[in-house]
Amino acid sequence: DADVTQTPRNRITKTGKRIMLECSQTKGHDRMYWYRQDPGLGLRLIYYSFDVKDINKGEISDGYSVSRQAQAKFSLSLESAIPNQTALYFCATSDTRLAGLRETQYFGPGTRLLVL
Amino acid sequence: AQSVTQLDSHVSVSEGTPVLLRCNYSSSYSPSLFWYVQHPNKGLQLLLKYTSAATLVKGINGFEAEFKKSETSFHLTKPSAHMSDAAEYFCVVRPSGTYKYIFGTGTRLKVLA
Repeated sequence: DADVTQTPRNRITKTGKRIMLECSQTKGHDRMYWYRQDPGLGLRLIYYSFDVKDINKGEISDGYSVSRQAQAKFSLSLESAIPNQTALYFCATSDTRLAGLRETQYFGPGTRLLVL
Repeated sequence: AQSVTQLDSHVSVSEGTPVLLRCNYSSSYSPSLFWYVQHPNKGLQLLLKYTSAATLVKGINGFEAEFKKSETSFHLTKPSAHMSDAAEYFCVVRPSGTYKYIFGTGTRLKVLA
């Protein structure tokens, strides 16, 4: 079974709709992240969470919100979807118990979102 | 400011020939460095990482990378390309003492039969 899972894997929605993307992990990691990937731009950080009570904006948080329901679950919401939010979205986790340079991110399989 | 530059957006090689994917970074402090691979319609898989031990890092599937501090580079190599290596590769830097993972824009590797 995958350590980091994302649901749904694909989603088509219309402009103005609210949608939620979900991420779950069984790795026991404390940190979780949401990224979006656009062709030619690499991955850009939307939100990150160091634990259940610590949520922070990334570089492109406008139009998005998140919820850390438990250590293992981190959801991303688009309150009112717009076409330029069409992208591939990735959830990632990391473990701060791996001190310093050994900390590594692990990614889910991605959610492909199309906003019409 | 920290940044990562992947010097080639596309690389084509013939099957059985060497692969070189270039990555340069700028970082104020000793960073962690990573290479991830993304196959079509798949998530990102960790290929290898540098965490201040040996400067030559071996990863999965025959890939390796060498950390060269004087050149601020972390190029990815493989002696002999295989068709299954066709994918997009991302170089990532995490400056020491930070949470932030900085991604390059990716290099798409094409392997010709």
